[in-house]
Amino acid sequence: EAQVTQNPRYLITVTGKKLTVTCSQNMNHEYMSWYRQDPGLGLRQIYYSMNVEVTDKGDVPEGYKVSRKEKRNFPLILESPSPNQTSLYFCASSRRLAGGYSTDTQYFGPGTRLTVL
Amino acid sequence: QKEVEQNSGPLSVPEGAIASLNCTYSDRGSQSFFWYRQYSGKSPELIMFIYSNGDKEDGRFTAQLNKASQYVSLLIRDSQPSDSATYLCAVLEYGNKLVFGAGTILRVKS
Repeated sequence: EAQVTQNPRYLITVTGKKLTVTCSQNMNHEYMSWYRQDPGLGLRQIYYSMNVEVTDKGDVPEGYKVSRKEKRNFPLILESPSPNQTSLYFCASSRRLAGGYSTDTQYFGPGTRLTVL
Repeated sequence: QKEVEQNSGPLSVPEGAIASLNCTYSDRGSQSFFWYRQYSGKSPELIMFIYSNGDKEDGRFTAQLNKASQYVSLLIRDSQPSDSATYLCAVLEYGNKLVFGAGTILRVKS
């Protein structure tokens, strides 16, 4: 089954304690991305990756790190989490995002609800 | 900061009616536009993609794009209660950055 998995699904942590949210896809997709979703603000892109070892900042990268050492995995790292990073996080992947008149479906993971106390 | 704006709603329509959802964007260079549907507590799912000016139809959904006026809309014909969800407009900016609007809540009343 084609899917994007995220772990953990729920996490409560404290300020300053480093954490990693894993994301993995089994569709051999090149494009992967992390978003955070907050009420009234919609989805905001944190980082994205066009392929292995190629990553770039989205709109809200501050306080986050990512890596893309393998095509299937795209972990999100919070080195020193703060309460303003409390949010719902989604990982997504697609073969490509858009090219000319066509696009590929972007598959979203189930989400990770993070609370930073 | 490039922006994508949507009316937050909720937009309430009776079953069987046409629901019209609108989105405006600020980046004139944007080329690709997406509509996602997100049910409460679920992940977003892509329902429409449009690249060219004009209309694109897929079943009960029609996406409309007007680049000169910088708006994109989604029409849902014969709305069903199962269409009740949040609809997210997204715009692909230069550099493959995908910018989402805050979403419009649609409620279809039976």
